[in-house]
Amino acid sequence: EVQLVESGGGLVQPGGSLRLSCAASGFTFSTYWMSWVRQAPGKGLEWVANIKQDGSVRYYVDSVRGRVTISRDDAKNSLYLQMNSLRGDDTAVYFCARGGKYGRVIDFWGQGTLVTVSS
Amino acid sequence: EIVMTQSPATLSVSPGERATLSCRASQSVGDNLAWYQQRPGQAPRLLIYGASTRVTDVPARFIGSGSGTEFTLTISSLQSEDFALYYCQQYNNWPPLTFGGGTKVEIK
Repeated sequence: EVQLVESGGGLVQPGGSLRLSCAASGFTFSTYWMSWVRQAPGKGLEWVANIKQDGSVRYYVDSVRGRVTISRDDAKNSLYLQMNSLRGDDTAVYFCARGGKYGRVIDFWGQGTLVTVSS
Repeated sequence: EIVMTQSPATLSVSPGERATLSCRASQSVGDNLAWYQQRPGQAPRLLIYGASTRVTDVPARFIGSGSGTEFTLTISSLQSEDFALYYCQQYNNWPPLTFGGGTKVEIK
């Protein structure tokens, strides 16, 4: 059974940092693109970043570029999102998501972890 | 960036009736379009990719159609578990991958 389990969310002050983790199981993690997608409270879905199978390619949405770093550890079947200089509009549920073989279609989602940026 | 626009924002439908959801792209995306379902409190779930290809285990009542800039998701006979939010997403020109704003299908 495919599973993606996020952790690391919580309350952080504006300007602070947070590192999200995602533990993957039930599939060959190293052969898939992986993504982070977020959903602000009561809002729609926003793709944040993704990373290619070997980590050689990383893409970011403009609103987080320079503040956020996506990474992976295939030996640990884990995906990460390091978030710095957090702002109020970063408040959202962050979903870890499997991006298929080519990074384009998100074929499986975790349950998400809530990040709240507030003083 | 390709902007995806979904309509209507909310669709009120009686169980057993047909629901028709629309998704428009700001420029052609070919057939590189996916549909997702999100039930309350749950993670999204992939329903359709390639504009019309259903994922395994998705019921046949979910029908995707369209190409270019105009797409439709039709749910032929709504069941109770189908009342949810639905999002379209383009993957023709990326990054970024972009989603529509969603359509909420609610019980009439």
